[in-house]
Parts: sequence; structure tokens; C-alpha cells
Amino acid sequence: AQSVAQPEDQVNVAEGNPLTVKCTYSVSGNPYLFWYVQYPNRGLQFLLKYITGDNLVKGSYGFEAEFNKSQTSFHLKKPSALVSDSALYFCAVRDPSNYQLIWGAGTKLIIKP
Amino acid sequence: SQTIHQWPATLVQPVGSPLSLECTVEGTSNPNLYWYRQAAGRGLQLLFYSVGIGQISSEVPQNLSASRPQDRQFILSSKKLLLSDSGFYLCAFRAGGNTGELFFGEGSRLTVL
Repeated sequence: AQSVAQPEDQVNVAEGNPLTVKCTYSVSGNPYLFWYVQYPNRGLQFLLKYITGDNLVKGSYGFEAEFNKSQTSFHLKKPSALVSDSALYFCAVRDPSNYQLIWGAGTKLIIKP
Repeated sequence: SQTIHQWPATLVQPVGSPLSLECTVEGTSNPNLYWYRQAAGRGLQLLFYSVGIGQISSEVPQNLSASRPQDRQFILSSKKLLLSDSGFYLCAFRAGGNTGELFFGEGSRLTVL
């Protein structure tokens, strides 16, 4: 069965430090992977996606994600965290059988000044 | 450009009252439309999706129903709300031909008292 795991419920990072939010997946075939961000009481915003090609994908707000096929991971990264990056982050993978997105449980990112 | 509008943003309703949440999409034709519920600010639960007018798929048995009376309009309804219907409801669309990413509305916060 297809699945997505975000192993960290919460990640705490000091402002200015690099951040990583982890995501691993299990899917048959080539994965289509996505990251979204959600600010409090707002809808989800699309950050970036991996479909094919370069393993390092760049997205909105200075975020990037690294696709690692051997480790079946798609970790979200940013070189220097901002307090405004504090939010809930979701990883998702497309189910190849029906094109629906399978969602991780979300990781709360807290950036401390 | 493609946009999605969802309303109302906030709703407080008594138990047993009806519900209607509405979502409209602009800038694309024949989108796939989705209703999600997010409980306790975390995981996303897919409630309904639609691939065309009048075509509704329900993912979980519940007190809610969905309708798609027009190509770019998606409505979430209930005849009698339960306390357990409280939550944050998100409408989303996937444009035809894209690689699977969804674009979300700003959400509707429903409190059933």
C-alpha cells in the first residue's frame, strides 16, 4: 500500500540555522512528491514538487527538497530559518492507481528568535 | 490565473441545524474538486471528491454530503449537524492535466455547539 510518513511531530530550530523536515514514502513505481505549508487557520499552500529530473527541487519562500530514491525520502530543507517559517508542513505522494494524494500527518515547525 | 474561493470562513451552528459550505474555482475548466476535513489542526481526511458535474465519490461514511451542480462549484452539506462535525473544512482543486498537486481554499472553521 502507498504511504507517507513524517516521523517528527514537531521540529524546533533557532532562527538563522538550517532546517530539515523529514518525509519518507512508500509507493509503487516512480513517485510524484509534494510539500505544502499551512499557517494557522489558513488553507494549505503548495511549496514544491518532485516529478523527475534533478534530485534537488527548489520551491517557494527559499525552501528546497532533496529526493533520495534509495532511502525513499523527500526531506524539506532551508539554509537559514526565519521566524515566519513557523507553520505546519505536509508531505504528500501521488497514488499511481488513482492519482489521489496520500498525505503525511504533518510536522509542526517552530523557529525561535 | 487559477483561483479558488471558499465560504463562509467561520461558522457556529447548533446541533441538529443544517450546513452548507460552498467552494468555487476560477480560471480552469473541469477541475477535480475535493473536500477535506482537518481535525485538531493536524491530519487531513479526504471526505469527497468529484471528477465532473454530478459525479461525487465519498471516502468515508458520515453525516455529510457533497454536490457539484456546476463545473466549478462544489458544495458540502448536512441536514442535521452533530458535535463531531466540528472542524476545519478545506476545499481544493486539481487542474486537468497537471501532475497531481492540489490548490486549496482558505478553509471554513465550523463549530457545532
